Amino acid sequence: EPEVTQTPSHQVTQMGQEVILRCVPISNHLYFYWYRQILGQKVEFLVSFYNNEISEKSEIFDDQFSVERPDGSNFTLKIRSTKLEDSAMYFCASSEALGGYEQYFGPGTRLTVT
Amino acid sequence: DQQVKQNSPSLSVQEGRISILNCDYTNSMFDYFLWYKKYPAEGPTFLISISSIKDKNEDGRFTVFLNKSAKHLSLHIVPSQPGDSAVYFCAAKLGGYGNKLVFGAGTILRVKS
Repeated sequence: EPEVTQTPSHQVTQMGQEVILRCVPISNHLYFYWYRQILGQKVEFLVSFYNNEISEKSEIFDDQFSVERPDGSNFTLKIRSTKLEDSAMYFCASSEALGGYEQYFGPGTRLTVT
Repeated sequence: DQQVKQNSPSLSVQEGRISILNCDYTNSMFDYFLWYKKYPAEGPTFLISISSIKDKNEDGRFTVFLNKSAKHLSLHIVPSQPGDSAVYFCAAKLGGYGNKLVFGAGTILRVKS
């Protein structure tokens, strides 16, 4: 069964460093998403991406964040200068276009900022 | 952000019995609702969904009921199995282009054998 994959599973970085989280969405899906879950809190939407552009972003997704689909399979989330409060599980998800609202999530990347 | 609420942090059910997980929402602009199951150290797994124009959707042991007037939905699992023990999240989609999902806080389901 097709699945969303994410790398790395755990990333430790120092405050102020740049990190790139990688995702390979399900191959025939056209919508891509990033969510995060801070420990003990709800899963929060960050950004959605369709047709090579951001279709929606949350107030969390400020200028420190960016997304890219560098090739036909990968979808990345970059945090330019990490802060302690960026420590969280980051989930990538994908869905079909044209009314396929079910989003399929990857296993997540645990980001720890020290 | 309290738009989607799951008021029961946990639920314990005997194997073979029915599990009922509840979810309330406040935003009438939600047009699609989904339930996800999550094990520790894994991502949310899609279970079942329902459009706001329906009041029931069934898939095997899982049934979701939607009461729009009460802004309430529930997930029924019958019969419950020990492998169903996980965190269950209710999520809602706002109408619009971005397909953003708003999640509830989750309910921990324990199915005892």
